[in-house]
Amino acid sequence: SAVISQKPSRDICQRGTSLTIQCQVDSQVTMMFWYRQQPGQSLTLIATANQGSEATYESGFVIDKFPISRPNLTFSTLTVSNMSPEDSSIYLCSARTQGAGELFFGEGSRLTVL
Amino acid sequence: AQSVAQPEDQVNVAEGNPLTVKCTYSVSGNPYLFWYVQYPNRGLQFLLKYITGDNLVKGSYGFEAEFNKSQTSFHLKKPSALVSDSALYFCAVRPRIKAAGNKLTFGGGTRVLVKP
Repeated sequence: SAVISQKPSRDICQRGTSLTIQCQVDSQVTMMFWYRQQPGQSLTLIATANQGSEATYESGFVIDKFPISRPNLTFSTLTVSNMSPEDSSIYLCSARTQGAGELFFGEGSRLTVL
Repeated sequence: AQSVAQPEDQVNVAEGNPLTVKCTYSVSGNPYLFWYVQYPNRGLQFLLKYITGDNLVKGSYGFEAEFNKSQTSFHLKKPSALVSDSALYFCAVRPRIKAAGNKLTFGGGTRVLVKP
């Protein structure tokens, strides 16, 4: 299994600012992903974080709004840029190994934009 | 396109009674199937997965799930529910064929409430 640490765990931000969320995995993993979740709702995949190259974004998500870095196999960041109240959500980092491996999740970063 | 349906938004059950959370899916080929649980203000925790072999899969905390290929279902079950099982449960599916993508698709979630 993998243990995933995310920080910050929560933050309250002002409209128009940006926030970077960090994700650290305790072992080398092949795949890392970023999800968004409204409390009590399902998860929506934002992007796949690719090591050493640009992330692969899902429909409705763009790099300018959600820049992602993954400099090595165990670390990734997600930035929420130029935030608006609609960006208030829980952002979850996840990771897995190749093949049939299950996803492991961080505890999430709860973002509130005023 | 792949999809996962959890037809019940909420399941209520008395402690000690059997618990079933339903899940059906639509995906090309034979998928990998997963169940996750989320407690309040926590991330998702992996419960169990189906890859191949026996259709009945046993997982954490006494949960099990049965893969039914003909009905494209993967229902989660627990013979005797505990109050501490009250949480949000997610079914998820991922294509087995790499060309179909690596994306894990989640169902809408089912809230389980176990009453003492």
